Amino acid sequence: KNEVEQSPQNLTAQEGEFITINCSYSVGISALHWLQQHPGGGIVSLFMLSSGKKKHGRLIATINIQEKHSSLHITASHPRDSAVYICAVSKYGNKLVFGAGTILRVKS
Amino acid sequence: EPEVTQTPSHQVTQMGQEVILRCVPISNHLYFYWYRQILGQKVEFLVSFYNNEISEKSEIFDDQFSVERPDGSNFTLKIRSTKLEDSAMYFCASTQNQYFGPGTRLLVL
Repeated sequence: KNEVEQSPQNLTAQEGEFITINCSYSVGISALHWLQQHPGGGIVSLFMLSSGKKKHGRLIATINIQEKHSSLHITASHPRDSAVYICAVSKYGNKLVFGAGTILRVKS
Repeated sequence: EPEVTQTPSHQVTQMGQEVILRCVPISNHLYFYWYRQILGQKVEFLVSFYNNEISEKSEIFDDQFSVERPDGSNFTLKIRSTKLEDSAMYFCASTQNQYFGPGTRLLVL
């Protein structure tokens, strides 16, 4: 069983829609990361969370430690948000364990 | 904003050849990581490096791989005798917030 599971695997949305990507994990963690990967391959860190909620612009990330679950929300989605969104957890020792990613396509 | 840099951006090599992938982490960071992503698959941890030595390595990181910090700034990943299955994107990252470099796309023919 994968330690980090994401859903959905693929998501297509219309511009302006509210988007939610979910992540569940099965191990003890020190933090959870949301990352964005564009078609060129580069990875950008969006959030690092150990509890509660964080917001940056139109992006919101939440985590429920008891339920071992996190969500990434995108409000007022835009075609430039199209990318792969990856959930990853850092276990004690700091290395990241990655989910398989969610491929998001936002259509105009 | 400080950034992690990697060179080369692309490398094509013949099977059995040695390759060295280079990374310049953010200057005051202490932890460094190498990850790889085979095309169409998820990102995988290879090795972490702290205080000039390996702190953890995955089962992927076998004897054909080595890492070093030769001059206090560069952080290198060497693959001694490349195999076809080493073709992947290799990412360097530094510190717990995981600042990623842009990656090196390695193709082994």
